[in-house]
Amino acid sequence: KAGVTQTPRYLIKTRGQQVTLSCSPISGHRSVSWYQQTPGQGLQFLFEYFSETQRNKGNFPGRFSGRQFSNSRSEMNVSTLELGDSALYLCASSLPRPNQETQYFGPGTRLLVL
Amino acid sequence: GQSLEQPSEVTAVEGAIVQINCTYQTSGFYGLSWYQQHDGGAPTFLSYNALDGLEETGRFSSFLSRSDSYGYLLLQELQMKDSASYFCAAQDSNYQLIWGAGTKLIIKP
Repeated sequence: KAGVTQTPRYLIKTRGQQVTLSCSPISGHRSVSWYQQTPGQGLQFLFEYFSETQRNKGNFPGRFSGRQFSNSRSEMNVSTLELGDSALYLCASSLPRPNQETQYFGPGTRLLVL
Repeated sequence: GQSLEQPSEVTAVEGAIVQINCTYQTSGFYGLSWYQQHDGGAPTFLSYNALDGLEETGRFSSFLSRSDSYGYLLLQELQMKDSASYFCAAQDSNYQLIWGAGTKLIIKP
């Protein structure tokens, strides 16, 4: 079974631009979560989608948004990029609740904002 | 607020045993997970404890005490490849995972 895939793997943008990241979950997984990880930091939860609905949202500004498609693929968008948005963005898929404790992560998209 | 505390760094010798502690404070609690992340890689699932006690998976064991809001990950017969960051994550009442900041494990030969 193929793992979680994320595209692109690396991205360089400038301040003020916007970016869209993509995530394809493991086949059969309908729950997708997004995280931001900065050097030396834990994973900061962005949002979770299940069956095309946002089920949970972390404490991030409205510039961060996401969506999920009927095939469970998910995208996240960051508008008006700031230097502090430079980070590794991780997507994880899981089985539906209550078996959500095991999350399967993709390799991440490393975003650099100049 | 919700938070998890774990040491930022732990150093151990190859072949030895090391314990990484984690205390949590969450709104509701279903269980505690542990993940391993090598430099440049993605986190990978190691274990999950929903009930008090010890869960063993090969060289790795994880422990939970719900009354103490405390858990630990125990790594035995340390190998150089175990050098990585280890994260604990608590599942709150919304089934959302709340993550610790991670413990960097440094293993010396």
